[in-house]
Amino acid sequence: GQNIDQPTEMTATEGAIVQINCTYQTSGFNGLFWYQQHAGEAPTFLSYNVLDGLEEKGRFSSFLSRSKGYSYLLLKELQMKDSASYLCAVRDQGGTGANNLFFGTGTRLTVIP
Amino acid sequence: GAGVSQSPRYKVAKRGQDVALRCDPISGHVSLFWYQQALGQGPEFLTYFQNEAQLDKSGLPSDRFFAERPEGSVSTLKIQRTQQEDSAVYLCASSLRDGADTQYFGPGTRLTVL
Repeated sequence: GQNIDQPTEMTATEGAIVQINCTYQTSGFNGLFWYQQHAGEAPTFLSYNVLDGLEEKGRFSSFLSRSKGYSYLLLKELQMKDSASYLCAVRDQGGTGANNLFFGTGTRLTVIP
Repeated sequence: GAGVSQSPRYKVAKRGQDVALRCDPISGHVSLFWYQQALGQGPEFLTYFQNEAQLDKSGLPSDRFFAERPEGSVSTLKIQRTQQEDSAVYLCASSLRDGADTQYFGPGTRLTVL
């Protein structure tokens, strides 16, 4: 099975940096995704890691360590509009090679002035 | 171009009623996924189509849940004899080729069963 853990809630100040951690256990790892979800809206794709290391995309960066089953999402220069839930999702090939996505519960980030 | 669309956006059903939820994937996307998202939780996989073929339905919680994609484009998720525990947001996602591609989500249908 899959076990994906991330903090339930975080609070950070506008302009600051925040790191959201995700740990996972899965048998057929085939990539890790981060999605942003504002309340009542669709999850939107932020980043994808399949190899170890850091992927940078503007104010957002994502890191992966496959040996540790660990990823983090780094948000820099926080803006009020960054208040949202951040979902960590692991793609698992499974026994059938289906490549399904398995999500954590999401981290609700609140940015305060 | 247009993203994934879903209808209705909100659905209220009385316990025992049947409901049908529609998903229009991004044009040309081969793969389509359905997820169920309970309040305060992450999405949970329900089922996966590649074109019209339902390749994985291991996440469907009971035989009251049924999904189809007869022409390999629009998909419908049907829930028969709805129960209160079926109340959730039902998300649809599509990807260009197979499950190895990035999935793009629709806005979801919020189902409330009274």
